[in-house]
Amino acid sequence: GQQVMQIPQYQHVQEGEDFTTYCNSSTTLSNIQWYKQRPGGHPVFLIQLVKSGEVKKQKRLTFQFGEAKKNSSLHITATQTTDVGTYFCAVTGSARQLTFGSGTQLTVLP
Amino acid sequence: DGGITQSPKYLFRKEGQNVTLSCEQNLNHDAMYWYRQDPGQGLRLIYYSQIVNDFQKGDIAEGYSVSREKKESFPLTVTSAQKNPTAFYLCASSISGSDTQYFGPGTRLTVL
Repeated sequence: GQQVMQIPQYQHVQEGEDFTTYCNSSTTLSNIQWYKQRPGGHPVFLIQLVKSGEVKKQKRLTFQFGEAKKNSSLHITATQTTDVGTYFCAVTGSARQLTFGSGTQLTVLP
Repeated sequence: DGGITQSPKYLFRKEGQNVTLSCEQNLNHDAMYWYRQDPGQGLRLIYYSQIVNDFQKGDIAEGYSVSREKKESFPLTVTSAQKNPTAFYLCASSISGSDTQYFGPGTRLTVL
């Protein structure tokens, strides 16, 4: 199945600093999704990117899909303690099953 | 109130026992999925089902079994053949034709 590499594995930031996580694939992706999992919780869908070069914003979160559709990023501006959690990218297989990246665990220090 | 329910939240079993994890959804979703998550790691697909009475193995199906007799239900059995069953198990569902998955709250299984 498709593989997607996600970096970094961990990120500690001071509240108010920015945060970015990256996903990379060796193959062209049909789309990419982003999920957030709060500590002790379950993944929650954030967004899906489909078009080459697509950029979508949700308040302080900016999602990008690369021009070649092989990479994606999630950027959070001015982090808050509510942003704490693990952020996963996920790619869709032929039967719509998801393959998840290993996740980036974000810690926000007050 | 629509959603996906998994019960119980925490489950303890002795080594060598089979255990069945429950997953129920009232979202009228056609597709359902089971994932396993180990501490500090991503989700790995165990089994998935796109329609009733049909299911496919995911990346780590060995030691697990499923059934899909009803659209609303997709129970997962962790058998004694699963060598390292202690993990967080997540069930998800999606609308036919959609890539977005909705997750249940999960069951934390500990095998002693």
